[in-house]
Amino acid sequence: AQKVTQAQTEISVVEKEDVTLDCVYETRDTTYYLFWYKQPPSGELVFLIRRNSFDEQNEISGRYSWNFQKSTSSFNFTITASQVVDSAVYFCALSGGLDTGRRALTFGSGTRLQVQP
Amino acid sequence: DAGVIQSPRHEVTEMGQEVTLRCKPISGHDYLFWYRQTMMRGLELLIYFNNNVPIDDSGMPEDRFSAKMPNASFSTLKIQPSEPRDSAVYFCASSSDETVNTEAFFGQGTRLTVV
Repeated sequence: AQKVTQAQTEISVVEKEDVTLDCVYETRDTTYYLFWYKQPPSGELVFLIRRNSFDEQNEISGRYSWNFQKSTSSFNFTITASQVVDSAVYFCALSGGLDTGRRALTFGSGTRLQVQP
Repeated sequence: DAGVIQSPRHEVTEMGQEVTLRCKPISGHDYLFWYRQTMMRGLELLIYFNNNVPIDDSGMPEDRFSAKMPNASFSTLKIQPSEPRDSAVYFCASSSDETVNTEAFFGQGTRLTVV
């Protein structure tokens, strides 16, 4: 069975601080995908990044960066110089690889990030 | 493309009534998912389709819930009869394996309140 754990329920930071959101996953699949989604107060789910289990390269996109470590089954998300607009709930998710047939996402419980001005 | 379109955005109904939620996936996507979000259980999969065929319905709570996908551009999730514990936000999502980016794109959700 697949499982995603986001141990941080809520994080509060002051604007311009860096913040890291933790994600630990469990899966028996040898190929899988990892995702991060953002859910702002308006409620929609916004895709941020997808990572293939074969690709452990870290990725940076503007103020966002992701650290994928297969050895610790973690896929952490860092926001540098946080802004008030980053306030949202962030979900880490997992799906099976294309060869597994397990295409649905298994979500973590989410981390609520509040960025104070 | 307009993205995944769900209707209605909000639905308030009385216990015992039938509720139908609708979803139009992104054109060309061959996977369609229904998820439910509640405070207690978070985001959980209800059912998903591949090429209009249900693949995994293990998340459907009970016989009161049913989902159909009569064609590639339309799906419904029906609750009959509805109960207060069905109150949640229901998301529809679609994705494709034919592109490099196989992430699921979500609709804006339907907030269901059963009173």
